[in-house]
Amino acid sequence: EAGVAQSPRYKIIEKRQSVAFWCNPISGHATLYWYQQILGQGPKLLIQFQNNGVVDDSQLPKDRFSAERLKGVDSTLKIQPAKLEDSAVYLCASTLAGGGHYEQYFGPGTRLTVT
Amino acid sequence: ILNVEQSPQSLHVQEGDSTNFTCSFPSSNFYALHWYRWETAKSPEALFVMTLNGDEKKKGQISATLNTKEGYSYLYIKGSQPEDSATYLCASFGAGSYQLTFGKGTKLSVIP
Repeated sequence: EAGVAQSPRYKIIEKRQSVAFWCNPISGHATLYWYQQILGQGPKLLIQFQNNGVVDDSQLPKDRFSAERLKGVDSTLKIQPAKLEDSAVYLCASTLAGGGHYEQYFGPGTRLTVT
Repeated sequence: ILNVEQSPQSLHVQEGDSTNFTCSFPSSNFYALHWYRWETAKSPEALFVMTLNGDEKKKGQISATLNTKEGYSYLYIKGSQPEDSATYLCASFGAGSYQLTFGKGTKLSVIP
C-alpha cells in the first residue's frame, strides 16, 4: 500500500512569511496527526484529526498555526506569519483509528527553515 | 503531558556489537509504549507497540521489553549492522490521553 505522502520536502522562507504543508494519509486511515520536531527534541503533537474533526489541538499555537482536513482525507498545515523558532521538521502521520495501541505511519516530513 | 526520557542520547558501536537503549516513562496511567526507527531522510517506521507488563517483542535482530510497574522499556539490537544506524524514538501513550509523548531519541551510529 502507498505510504503517507507529504509535500514539499524542504522549504526555506523568511520570517513573517507564510507557508503551507500538505499531507495525504494512507487510504482508509481515519486519524491524522501533525507533529513538529525541533532539532534535538522529540516530535511534539500539534493537532490530531479524527476524520474531518479535531480531537486535540491543545499544543497548536493558534495565533499563527492553522490546520484543516476537509473531506476527512488530505490535510494542510499553515503557518502565518512564520517565526525563527518555527524552524523544524513537520511530520504527518496516520492510523486506522485513534488510540494508543495503533502504530502510527509517518510521512517523510517537511524540513522548514525560517531565516 | 507525560515526561519520556531516553538514554543514551547518542551511541557509536562497531559492526557486530550488540547494544541496548533505555526509555523511561511515568508508570501511572500507562496505556501503551511505542518504539520507532527514524533513518536520515526517511520516514519514521514503527518497530513495536507494547501494552502489557513483562511483554517482550522481537523483529529480526531487534527486541524490546516492557516494565510498566517501574516505567521503563529496553530496546536491544543484537549484532548491529551499518543499516541499523538511525535515531530510535520511544513514545508513551497515557490512559485517558489522546496523544503519544515522544522522548528525544537515541542516535545510533554503527561503524563498519
